[in-house]
Amino acid sequence: AQTVTQSQPEMSVQEAETVTLSCTYDTSESDYYLFWYKQPPSRQMILVIRQEAYKQQNATENRFSVNFQKAAKSFSLKISDSQLGDAAMYFCAYRNWRQGGSEKLVFGKGMKLTVNP
Amino acid sequence: DVKVTQSSRYLVKRTGEKVFLECVQDMDHENMFWYRQDPGLGLRLIYFSYDVKMKEKGDIPEGYSVSREKKERFSLILESASTNQTSMYLCASSLGTSSNNEQFFGPGTRLTVL
Repeated sequence: AQTVTQSQPEMSVQEAETVTLSCTYDTSESDYYLFWYKQPPSRQMILVIRQEAYKQQNATENRFSVNFQKAAKSFSLKISDSQLGDAAMYFCAYRNWRQGGSEKLVFGKGMKLTVNP
Repeated sequence: DVKVTQSSRYLVKRTGEKVFLECVQDMDHENMFWYRQDPGLGLRLIYFSYDVKMKEKGDIPEGYSVSREKKERFSLILESASTNQTSMYLCASSLGTSSNNEQFFGPGTRLTVL
């Protein structure tokens, strides 16, 4: 079974600085997807960024980028120019790719990010 | 925009009561999911459904059942609520069995069982 590990339960960053959230996963599959979800204090979970395992290029979405190291099974999220609105719980998630297969996501335990003004 | 709504933000029930948590999505999504979220444990999948009247057990189905009579609605049922079911419950939906479908989440229901 696949597992996702977020080893840091909490982190803090100063506003306008850069922070990196770590995530490792374990799988025997070669094709899969990885996601970072954000859950602000209002509780609605939203997708931050996704990465297809077959793509070598790291995904980026504005101030958010990932460092995907497939051999090391590592998927870290970098937040540049941190803003107060980035304060949230962040969850790393994994999904197998299998045509017609399950859409199940496997989540890490989450990490609480605090942004200090 | 996809909208996933849940019937209650906060709910307080007594031990032994039958509890219904309702989830509705408005984008004709095939898949719907129920998770529970507990501090330090992340999100754990209870049940999911990939079509009307179809369901599959997730990782922690014990003590729960689900119903999907209509495509847009997915209900989570606690047949006899217990205190260890006090938790945050999140519903999610996704388009269908395809590449990298994003799951869209509802706001959550904070259930307290006394």
